[in-house]
Amino acid sequence: AQSVTQLDSHVSVSEGTPVLLRCNYSSSYSPSLFWYVQHPNKGLQLLLKYTSAATLVKGINGFEAEFKKSETSFHLTKPSAHMSDAAEYFCVVSDPSSARQLTFGSGTQLTVLP
Amino acid sequence: ETGVTQSPTHLIKTRGQQVTLRCSSQSGHNTVSWYQQALGQGPQFIFQYYREEENGRGNFPPRFSGLQFPNYSSELNVNALELDDSALYLCASSTLVGDTQYFGPGTRLTVL
Repeated sequence: AQSVTQLDSHVSVSEGTPVLLRCNYSSSYSPSLFWYVQHPNKGLQLLLKYTSAATLVKGINGFEAEFKKSETSFHLTKPSAHMSDAAEYFCVVSDPSSARQLTFGSGTQLTVLP
Repeated sequence: ETGVTQSPTHLIKTRGQQVTLRCSSQSGHNTVSWYQQALGQGPQFIFQYYREEENGRGNFPPRFSGLQFPNYSSELNVNALELDDSALYLCASSTLVGDTQYFGPGTRLTVL
């Protein structure tokens, strides 16, 4: 079985300051890991994915995430927040043992203050 | 390249009715997955179709059923609607089973 835990339901940062969204995962196999973003009343947009290549993954809009197997973590970071980054962020695991269905975390709401 | 599209955008039904939601996958994609996202929660996997066959199913009752057509578009059917079926229904397509999934904008279903 696979699962994802997003450690913060809400994160608030000031514009121009760093962003850290935390995610821990559990999987019986070598997983693929993703971060998706959802703006209000919109679908899900892929930010980045990890598939057992480089442990530091760069995504769109300046986001990146580091896969740490020893800590079973896949935290999302950005050096400098923009107002447009305000959205819901989902950490997601894909497990080859279950038809690669995606299992989503409960989400982290990011607020960016002016 | 056309992305994933879904119709309708919004839908209001009453308890006990049946509903059909539609999804057109991204050009070149042969795998479609459906997810249910209740308010304030992450999406939950309903089922996946690969080349017109169901390829995996989440923890949803049989009144949730689906189809995939030769052009890889897909339908989600829900019978005997319940109030708890109110949610955003998301469709995602990919090129291969296990590849990155690209999501449509969703259909907001309200059951009264």
